[in-house]
Amino acid sequence: DVKVTQSSRYLVKRTGEKVFLECVQDMDHENMFWYRQDPGLGLRLIYFSYDVKMKEKGDIPEGYSVSREKKERFSLILESASTNQTSMYLCASSFWQGPEAFFGQGTRLTVV
Amino acid sequence: AQSVTQPDIHITVSEGASLELRCNYSYGATPYLFWYVQSPGQGLQLLLKYFSGDTLVQGIKGFEAEFKRSQSSFNLRKPSVHWSDAAEYFCAVVTSGSGNTPLVFGKGTRLSVIA
Repeated sequence: DVKVTQSSRYLVKRTGEKVFLECVQDMDHENMFWYRQDPGLGLRLIYFSYDVKMKEKGDIPEGYSVSREKKERFSLILESASTNQTSMYLCASSFWQGPEAFFGQGTRLTVV
Repeated sequence: AQSVTQPDIHITVSEGASLELRCNYSYGATPYLFWYVQSPGQGLQLLLKYFSGDTLVQGIKGFEAEFKRSQSSFNLRKPSVHWSDAAEYFCAVVTSGSGNTPLVFGKGTRLSVIA
């Protein structure tokens, strides 16, 4: 079975902190994605990557950056966390030709 | 631009009753279509997918969905709902053959099941 693992289930951070959310997949997938999920808004794409060191902006990249130094790992970075970034963050991966995406269990981030 | 509409934000059904969750998409090309389920506090699990061929697809947990091109719909059904089906359901779409293009998701339908 494909496994997508997010490093934390729950995180509480302070406003202004730099926050790292880590995601690792074990299926040699080329594509990796970060989504944000909020009630009533569904899943919104923050960034995705189709290869090591490659990244593409999604629908809501402001306030976020990403890093993909190794194929299996995709990190989401909040440079200076703000309360409006309190949310559920979901990582996903897929093969180059897609299209099916496999999801991690999610990280619920609270910024206080 | 691609879009997915799930008209029902919240649906409540009785255990044992049938269920239909609606999904409509806006797309110019042949789509690949998906339904995912999310239990509280969890990630998304794939229920079923449609790529081509038979327009009625079977998925896990007794779910099925029917692709209707003329109506741009991909509705999810289950003949008899169980209490454990209470969750949030997401419809998603991507253009066929688009490789690494991310899935576009609807806003979800929350299903409550009552005794």
